[in-house]
Amino acid sequence: AQSVTQLGSHVSVSEGALVLLRCNYSSSVPPYLFWYVQYPNQGLQLLLKYTTGATLVKGINGFEAEFKKSETSFHLTKPSAHMSDAAEYFCAVRGSARQLTFGSGTQLTVLP
Amino acid sequence: DAGVIQSPRHEVTEMGQEVTLRCKPISGHNSLFWYRQTMMRGLELLIYFNNNVPIDDSGMPEDRFSAKMPNASFSTLKIQPSEPRDSAVYFCASSFNGGGEETQYFGPGTRLLVL
Repeated sequence: AQSVTQLGSHVSVSEGALVLLRCNYSSSVPPYLFWYVQYPNQGLQLLLKYTTGATLVKGINGFEAEFKKSETSFHLTKPSAHMSDAAEYFCAVRGSARQLTFGSGTQLTVLP
Repeated sequence: DAGVIQSPRHEVTEMGQEVTLRCKPISGHNSLFWYRQTMMRGLELLIYFNNNVPIDDSGMPEDRFSAKMPNASFSTLKIQPSEPRDSAVYFCASSFNGGGEETQYFGPGTRLLVL
């Protein structure tokens, strides 16, 4: 079985501040991990993914995430928030099963 | 590539009516997934196909839901009869399954409202 826990359903940061969105997973096999972003009334867009190799993964729009096996975490960060980053962010895991299991999502608000 | 295409983007119907949602996956992809998103349950997988064959439909809520994939470029999700609790956003995603890493790409979704 696989599962994802996203800590904090709502996160607010000031423009220019660090963004940190937390994701912890469980998987019985080495996981593939993903972050997707959903803008209002739109579909899910892939931000970044971890499959194998380098544990620090860089994605689009300046986001990155680090796979930490010992902590079963895959937190998403961005050094400086921009107003356009306001959206909902979903962490997902793919383990032994082919389908993705999603976290409940974190709504990011960026304050001017 | 145009990405995953879904139609209609919005659907409003009355309880008891049949609803058909459509999806065209990315060309060259061999796997297709149907997800449902609600406030209460988040994103949940309904069914997925590999090479047009349904592999896992354990997420389909009940017999009112059915899905088909007659060819590699088209899939439908049908609800008959529809109920108000079926109101949700339905996403289709596709991927290429070559035995290793695969990434699912999502369509824009169909927003369904059943009155």
